[in-house]
Amino acid sequence: DADVTQTPRNRITKTGKRIMLECSQTKGHDRMYWYRQDPGLGLQLIYYSFDVKDINKGEISDGYSVSRQAQAKFSLSLESAIPNQTALYFCATSDPGTGTSGEQFFGPGTRLTVL
Amino acid sequence: AQSVTQLGSHVSVSEGALVLLRCNYSSSVPPYLFWYVQYPNQGLQLLLKYTSAATLVKGINDFEAEFKKSETSFHLTKPSAHMSDAAEYFCAVSSNQAGTALIFGKGTTLSVSS
Repeated sequence: DADVTQTPRNRITKTGKRIMLECSQTKGHDRMYWYRQDPGLGLQLIYYSFDVKDINKGEISDGYSVSRQAQAKFSLSLESAIPNQTALYFCATSDPGTGTSGEQFFGPGTRLTVL
Repeated sequence: AQSVTQLGSHVSVSEGALVLLRCNYSSSVPPYLFWYVQYPNQGLQLLLKYTSAATLVKGINDFEAEFKKSETSFHLTKPSAHMSDAAEYFCAVSSNQAGTALIFGKGTTLSVSS
């Protein structure tokens, strides 16, 4: 089974709708991240969480919110989706305490289309 | 502040040719450096990482990268390209300070022709 899972894998929605993307991990890592990927722009950090009580904005947090329900779960919400939020979204985890030096482990991604 | 620049958004090579993907970084503290690969319709997979040990780092699938502090570079190479190497490659930087996340470059798409 995959260590980092994302649901749904694909989603098509309409402008103005509220959307939640979910991420679960079985790696036991404290740190979790949400990125969006757009062609030619690489990965941009939306939000990150270093533990259940610690949530931090990334470089492109406007229009997004997150919830860290448990160590293993980190959800990303689009309160009112707009077309320029059409992108591929990745969840990732890391655990600096295991000597992995910041290495992040990625989920398979969620492809979101906002019409 | 940290940043990563990947030179060349698209690189094309012939099967069997040398692969060279360029990455330059900027960091005010000793960096950790990573190369990730993304195959079509998949997530990101770690190829290799530099964490202040050996400057020449070997990764999976015969890829390697050399950390050159004087040039602030971490270029990725492979002696002989395979068709299966066609993918998008991302260079990323973080630091050994607590509370930092990965900063990614914009990616380089590698095409391999027969």
